[in-house]
Amino acid sequence: QKEVEQDPGPLSVPEGAIVSLNCTYSNSAFQYFMWYRQYSRKGPELLMYTYSSGNKEDGRFTAQVDKSSKYISLFIRDSQPSDSATYLCAMSASSNDYKLSFGAGTTVTVRA
Amino acid sequence: DAGVIQSPRHEVTEMGQEVTLRCKPISGHNSLFWYRQTMMRGLELLIYFNNNVPIDDSGMPEDRFSAKMPNASFSTLKIQPSEPRDSAVYFCASSLEFSGELFFGEGSRLTVL
Repeated sequence: QKEVEQDPGPLSVPEGAIVSLNCTYSNSAFQYFMWYRQYSRKGPELLMYTYSSGNKEDGRFTAQVDKSSKYISLFIRDSQPSDSATYLCAMSASSNDYKLSFGAGTTVTVRA
Repeated sequence: DAGVIQSPRHEVTEMGQEVTLRCKPISGHNSLFWYRQTMMRGLELLIYFNNNVPIDDSGMPEDRFSAKMPNASFSTLKIQPSEPRDSAVYFCASSLEFSGELFFGEGSRLTVL
């Protein structure tokens, strides 16, 4: 079993829909949770960074962490075609842990 | 800043040939990472440098792989001899110290025939 599980999709939604992405993990020591966005033929870029449980909102993006269930989510409101990308979750046990555990990534297409 | 710069962007080579991938990290970043990305295995950390010193190379798959960082602004990943199963996208990333915020380059897409 992988340490971080993420459904690879693909996920196709119409423009304006809410996109819901999630990851589950097995290591209860994880406290720092990240979402990276990767456009086709590009490197990943950090989208959201959260610590411990709770919600964090940044514009149309909301990250949720439920440590009791070992489950994290990313929601994209009012999705746009420019949101079409692969979204990777990543996590670590401490802020100075250089070894991130990445999910496989979920490919999202937003149809105009 | 130009971001992390990798070269070449694409490399097609034949089995047995030597491959050298290059990376220029963001100026001022003291942590450098080499990752490999494949459909089957996702993103895998190959090696991590801090202040130009290799700290963790446990992800380097075999002795055929080697990495160097002779100074703060340059790193190489070498595969010798290359094999078809090395075909992947190789990413270099840099960051300030240990941080969840990695800055990735655009990757080097390697195809070994």
